Amino acid sequence: NAGVTQTPKFQVLKTGQSMTLQCAQDMNHEYMSWYRQDPGMGLRLIHYSVGAGITDQGEVPNGYNVSRSTTEDFPLRLLSAAPSQTSVYFCASGGIMNTEAFFGQGTRLTVV
Amino acid sequence: GNSVTQMEGPVTLSEEAFLTINCTYTATGYPSLFWYVQYPGEGLQLLLKATKADDKGSNKGFEATYRKETTSFHLEKGSVQVSDSAVYFCALSEGGYQKVTFGIGTKLQVIP
Repeated sequence: NAGVTQTPKFQVLKTGQSMTLQCAQDMNHEYMSWYRQDPGMGLRLIHYSVGAGITDQGEVPNGYNVSRSTTEDFPLRLLSAAPSQTSVYFCASGGIMNTEAFFGQGTRLTVV
Repeated sequence: GNSVTQMEGPVTLSEEAFLTINCTYTATGYPSLFWYVQYPGEGLQLLLKATKADDKGSNKGFEATYRKETTSFHLEKGSVQVSDSAVYFCALSEGGYQKVTFGIGTKLQVIP
């Protein structure tokens, strides 16, 4: 079972560059979310989606865009990377009938 | 808004010692409560959960009881093993698993 798949696992960007973090799930889950993990801060919600075509902002949305054109995919876009976006990013999914959120392995992003 | 408070650690224990990691929460309604575990280099995995007051979640020797009167969900294990070394996150969810509020995570180190 693939579950939630994130790519890439590691990425180094220069300030001002753009990139897309990919997230795909094969469990037909309605819900998908992006979190960032920083030391001393736990995981903070960036954006989330309750279904294809529907997205909303979480706690720390600035500097990030998302879209949800299919149930399976939920990419996270950084339009102009900043050093403050250096973090580990996790994608998660969950179904309406599920009782937990399933997480990907994470993407470690460094912005220099 | 919702929040979860837990100590950051690290917590260092000898093998077979008793473990307690405290977790308290603030929520507007009646949340579901979770403990997630993150092993080095991996994503988060659900360890246990409780969905209503006085429920006890348990898994792999770990237990936590949903205490509404003290707004707490403390994690306990009677005898820890080296393989339990990881970061443990307390979390809550209200109204759906697309938005989970996490604590900062507690790093546990178990030494032989």
